[in-house]
Amino acid sequence: ETGVTQSPTHLIKTRGQQVTLRCSSQSGHNTVSWYQQALGQGPQFIFQYYREEENGRGNFPPRFSGLQFPNYSSELNVNALELDDSALYLCASSLQGSEAFFGQGTRLTVV
Amino acid sequence: GESVGLHLPTLSVQEGDNSIINCAYSNSASDYFIWYKQESGKGPQFIIDIRSNMDKRQGQRVTVLLNKTVKHLSLQIAATQPGDSAVYFCAEIPYGGATNKLIFGTGTLLAVQP
Repeated sequence: ETGVTQSPTHLIKTRGQQVTLRCSSQSGHNTVSWYQQALGQGPQFIFQYYREEENGRGNFPPRFSGLQFPNYSSELNVNALELDDSALYLCASSLQGSEAFFGQGTRLTVV
Repeated sequence: GESVGLHLPTLSVQEGDNSIINCAYSNSASDYFIWYKQESGKGPQFIIDIRSNMDKRQGQRVTVLLNKTVKHLSLQIAATQPGDSAVYFCAEIPYGGATNKLIFGTGTLLAVQP
């Protein structure tokens, strides 16, 4: 196992609702990235946090937001959920400049 | 767990055969490439990486080849085993980019027949 844990593992939400996904990074890792993986596709980069600051963002709207805490754990928040937000959300942690380790993901279904 | 392999290109091989999985990358400025393995219900797992100043790198049972002229990457798996069945993704990092701002390809489903 990678030492990166995500919660919850599965989640069902209704269109228009808000959701918060959580990630505990591997011990000592100060960088967390979030990815969205639609069924049958590769993961798409959402954003990265380094030492509690956003450090790069992919092509996702502002209703996707995040936080990183002093212990380097992280949250991904999505507001005004849409059906197309249904996907596997992956968190990856690393030290800057080193290999990224992925968690098992949170499967979000929007109905 | 949920399958990540729906609608993906599929490579079917017999156990013991060698497998070759191909990937075309998009950014000629990318200078670091990684192959990941993703089993059903799990996150991507690092297999092997290669820098753009190399054209070949070998690991345990795996070899990655890089052809920068045609922006092509391949992963060779020797003596493929049933445990190798998974979806394989190549990922690239543009020059100067951070190691976990990854740009993933579409993926290939490897199915190993016993």
